[in-house]
Amino acid sequence: QAVVTQEPSFSVSPGGTVTITCGLSSGSVSTNNYPSWYQQTPGQAPRTLIDSTNTRSSGVPDRFSGSILGNKAALTITGAQADDESDYYCVLHMGSGISVFGGGTKLTVL
Amino acid sequence: EVQLVQSGAEVKKPGDSLKISCKASGYFFTSYWIAWVRQMPGKGLEWMGIVYPGDSDTRYSPAFQGQVTISADKSISTAYLQWSSLKASDTAMYYCARRPGNNWFDPWGQGTLVTVSS
Repeated sequence: QAVVTQEPSFSVSPGGTVTITCGLSSGSVSTNNYPSWYQQTPGQAPRTLIDSTNTRSSGVPDRFSGSILGNKAALTITGAQADDESDYYCVLHMGSGISVFGGGTKLTVL
Repeated sequence: EVQLVQSGAEVKKPGDSLKISCKASGYFFTSYWIAWVRQMPGKGLEWMGIVYPGDSDTRYSPAFQGQVTISADKSISTAYLQWSSLKASDTAMYYCARRPGNNWFDPWGQGTLVTVSS
């Protein structure tokens, strides 16, 4: 089974910009993998941020954006705020209805 | 409002069987896939599999194939995740989530904590 890779951790200053990526251990991520992104804070269920590469879910601030950068999917937070400190996960569609989550990225805002 | 409400926390012994549930409301249950996701203590999310309640079609991650059974009862708008023989390593939070599109999951249930300990 393919492995979906993410940076284990990132740190960003308040007001700064950070890009978290989502790659494949072998091959490139494309829109055909329909990458989606989730935010999870401790003790809470995940919250959907982005679906189908770049569509923001209802109520998600526009400082969150999704894209394909090179051979990876990317989640960019522009103007990070303290309450963006969370774990972030991507998930990729691998065909035949099967999806795989990335390992998650722990974002610190300080 | 689309909502998924999961059954309560469970404490079981190794070798026990278990079936947890995810009750859907606010939409046509038979029209959308339901996924199950595992989160072991302090770890990341793992996609386990999905079920299409309309015809009970199921797909499993290779890592979970044969380890769990995913099903749905459309008469009561409820999806299930079950084990025939639990192991300590099954201790985790389990989430269900609707799949409205090709590869995104929303909303999510509140999670069911399963603890397996002798």
